[in-house]
Amino acid sequence: GEDVEQSLFLSVREGDSSVINCTYTDSSSTYLYWYKQEPGAGLQLLTYIFSNMDMKQDQRLTVLLNKKDKHLSLRIADTQTGDSAIYFCAERESSASKIIFGSGTRLSIRP
Amino acid sequence: DAGVIQSPRHEVTEMGQEVTLRCKPISGHDYLFWYRQTMMRGLELLIYFNNNVPIDDSGMPEDRFSAKMPNASFSTLKIQPSEPRDSAVYFCASSLVGAGNTIYFGEGSWLTVV
Repeated sequence: GEDVEQSLFLSVREGDSSVINCTYTDSSSTYLYWYKQEPGAGLQLLTYIFSNMDMKQDQRLTVLLNKKDKHLSLRIADTQTGDSAIYFCAERESSASKIIFGSGTRLSIRP
Repeated sequence: DAGVIQSPRHEVTEMGQEVTLRCKPISGHDYLFWYRQTMMRGLELLIYFNNNVPIDDSGMPEDRFSAKMPNASFSTLKIQPSEPRDSAVYFCASSLVGAGNTIYFGEGSWLTVV
C-alpha cells in the first residue's frame, strides 16, 4: 500500500535554510503536497507539485521532486521563528483521490 | 469563503457517551474527508465521500464509528459508545477535483474521553 515517510524532528538556526525530506512509495502519485501545522491549528497548505515537475519555487519555499527515487524535499530559505511548526508531506493519486500523509517533521528554530 | 467549519472545537465527555462531530465543507467542493490525529499514530484517514457518497471507509477503526453526509454541505462523524482511546483531534477536510486536487482542512475537533 501507499506509505509516506519523514524524519520526526529538525532543528535549525534562525536565518539558515531548512530542508525537510520525504519519501513515498506509490509511483502513481500524481500530486505531492506540503502542509504546515501550527500548535492548536489545522493543516495549512503550503505548496504542491505535480508529478511531471522537478522543482517549484514560491518565495522562500522551494520544492524538489526526484520521481525516480520517490523523494520530495521542502527547502525554507532564511528560516524564521514563525516557521516553527510541524510539516507534513502528502501524496495523492488522481484516480483514488485520497491523500496519504506522512508522520510530520517538527521544525524547531534556535537563536 | 469561510473555509471548512467544524464543531465543536473542544469536547470532553465521559466514557460510554455518544459523541457527534460536525463538519461544513467549503461550498462547491465535491470531496469530504475525515482524519484523526494522535501522537502515537499521526494523521489517519478514516473515511472520505465523493458527492455525498462514502467511497472508502477502510480507515474507520471499528463499528463504534460511523459517518454520514446527508447533503453537500454537511457531514457528521459519530462515536457510540466513546472510549478513552478515542481521544484525539478529528479533522474534516474538503476538496474539489482539479486545481491540484488540494484539500483544505478545518481547525479540528479536540475530543477528550475520560
